[in-house]
Formats: sequence, C-alpha cells, structure tokens
Amino acid sequence: AQTVTQSQPEMSVQEAETVTLSCTYDTSESDYYLFWYKQPPSRQMILVIRQEAYKQQNATENRFSVNFQKAAKSFSLKISDSQLGDAAMYFCATTNFGNEKLTFGTGTRLTIIP
Amino acid sequence: ETGVTQTPRHLVMGMTNKKSLKCEQHLGHNAMYWYKQSAKKPLELMFVYNFKEQTENNSVPSRFSPECPNSSHLFLHLHTLQPEDSALYLCASSQDLLASDEQFFGPGTRLTVL
Repeated sequence: AQTVTQSQPEMSVQEAETVTLSCTYDTSESDYYLFWYKQPPSRQMILVIRQEAYKQQNATENRFSVNFQKAAKSFSLKISDSQLGDAAMYFCATTNFGNEKLTFGTGTRLTIIP
Repeated sequence: ETGVTQTPRHLVMGMTNKKSLKCEQHLGHNAMYWYKQSAKKPLELMFVYNFKEQTENNSVPSRFSPECPNSSHLFLHLHTLQPEDSALYLCASSQDLLASDEQFFGPGTRLTVL
C-alpha cells in the first residue's frame, strides 16, 4: 500500500519570498506519479504540478517547482515569489500503474504574510 | 456551467433523514470519484466509476449509496447517517483511469449530521 506523509501541518511565508513544502511517500512500485494539489479557502482543489517517477528532471510550472529525490522517496514543492493567492492547503499525492487511485497526504496549510 | 459542479453546497441532516448529493462534470470525462475530506486526515476515496461502472468501493458503509446514471452525473444517496459522517464530500472527474490523469474537483458539499 502507498502512503504519503506531510510533516508540516502549517507553514507561513512572507510575500515575495520562497517557501518549500515537504512530502515523503512510500511505495513498492518502480514507476508512479506524484502530484501537488492546491485547495484555496472555500474554493476547488486544483492541480499545481505533476511528476513521473521515471523522469529524473524535476518538474516546473512557472513559480512552482519540485525537488524529487527518488531514492529518498521525497517530493518537496518550492514556491518562489510567494503571492497572496498562494494561500491554501497543499496536498501531496501519488498514484501508480495498477493502482490509479490517488493516495493523499494530510496537507500543509500555507499562509502568506503581506 | 464549467468544470465540476456539486449541489447542495451545504447540507444539515438528522440521523433519520434521507438526502442525496449531486455531482455533474462538464468536461467529457469518463471517470468520476467520491471523496470524504475530514479535518487533519488524508482525503478518503469512497467510490470510483469508469464509464458508468463502479470500479472501486473502498469499504464504505452501506448508508452511503452511489449512483452513476451516465458519465456526466454522479450521486451519493445518504440515509441513517452518523455524526461522524459529518465532513466535506468532494466529487472529482478525470479523463480516464490512468495513473497520470489529473483529477478535476468540485467545490464540495459540507455535510453536517446532527
């Protein structure tokens, strides 16, 4: 069974600064996908970034990037130039071939300080 | 309407009531999901439908009864619920049941069981 651990229930960052959210996971599969989803207050959850474990290059989407360490089973999310609109719950999740359902972590609540 | 919609957004019910949650996706997707989101817990997958057929029932109590009349609509029928069933119920859809597929979430129904 897959498990996802987010050890930081809450984080805060000054506007325009950089913040890193941690995620570790456990899986016995060799190929799988990792995701970061964002759930703003009272708004719908949306995908932030996606990484296939097969690819060594870290995924990047504008101000969002990941640090994927496959051997350590670590998948952290870096948000650069933090903006007020980045305030949300961030969930790390994983799927793998043969078990295509998302397994989520407990989330990290990110606060942006103006 | 675009994306994934859910009605009602808020629901308060007694333990003897019967109610239904509705989800509709306007994305042409083939797979739909019900999740339960409780505070400080990972999202719990409840049911998965692919091309209207149920492919996953994650040991959900029978007081929750899903229905998928077509690929665009998903219902969750509720009866004789318990107070511990109070939570945010999220509907999601994806193009197919692939490990790489992004899931698109609705805004959720906030359920309170008295």
